[in-house]
Amino acid sequence: AQKITQTQPGMFVQEKEAVTLDCTYDTSDPSYGLFWYKQPSSGEMIFLIYQGSYDQQNATEGRYSLNFQKARKSANLVISASQLGDSAMYFCAMRDQAGNTGKLIFGQGTTLQVKP
Amino acid sequence: GAVVSQHPSRVICKSGTSVKIECRSLDFQATTMFWYRQFPKQSLMLMATSNEGSKATYEQGVEKDKFLINHASLTLSTLTVTSAHPEDSSFYICSARSLLSYEQYFGPGTRLTVT
Repeated sequence: AQKITQTQPGMFVQEKEAVTLDCTYDTSDPSYGLFWYKQPSSGEMIFLIYQGSYDQQNATEGRYSLNFQKARKSANLVISASQLGDSAMYFCAMRDQAGNTGKLIFGQGTTLQVKP
Repeated sequence: GAVVSQHPSRVICKSGTSVKIECRSLDFQATTMFWYRQFPKQSLMLMATSNEGSKATYEQGVEKDKFLINHASLTLSTLTVTSAHPEDSSFYICSARSLLSYEQYFGPGTRLTVT
């Protein structure tokens, strides 16, 4: 069975510094997709970044980058130059390839607080 | 980008009544829509997967007679919480999978409070 694990319930970072949010996954499928979402207090799920299992390079989107270590089954999110507006809950997710439904399996989430 | 709307954004209902939540893909056709439930400071739990024109597939432990899902068109899915109880109070989020790109887009969520 597929599983996503986020072991950091809460993280603090100083404004303008970088922070890494951890995510490990478990799957027996050779083809999978990994996602990171941001959920501010308003509740909306904001897509941040995607990494495919066959992608050769780590994904980057602006201040977000994904440190993809396939052998270790980890897909950590790195946020550079943190801003106060980055304070939110962050979820790592994996697309369930079984049955091609496209459903996402989410990790437990990490609450990030950026300090001024 | 693709937009998914949910209506209502907030609803308060009395125990024993039913409430319907709509999920619409505004500018794309969605083959599949997903319904999630989220308790405060917890993760999203998938409740069911709905495909247009067919019965929804419910996750283990989700009562299909209590959470009725209808996916009547490629742009609309509804979740009806029947005979609501206070323990059904939660944040309900839908997402829609694009017919063309297979990307998944989330709605803004509906906060349900049952008194």
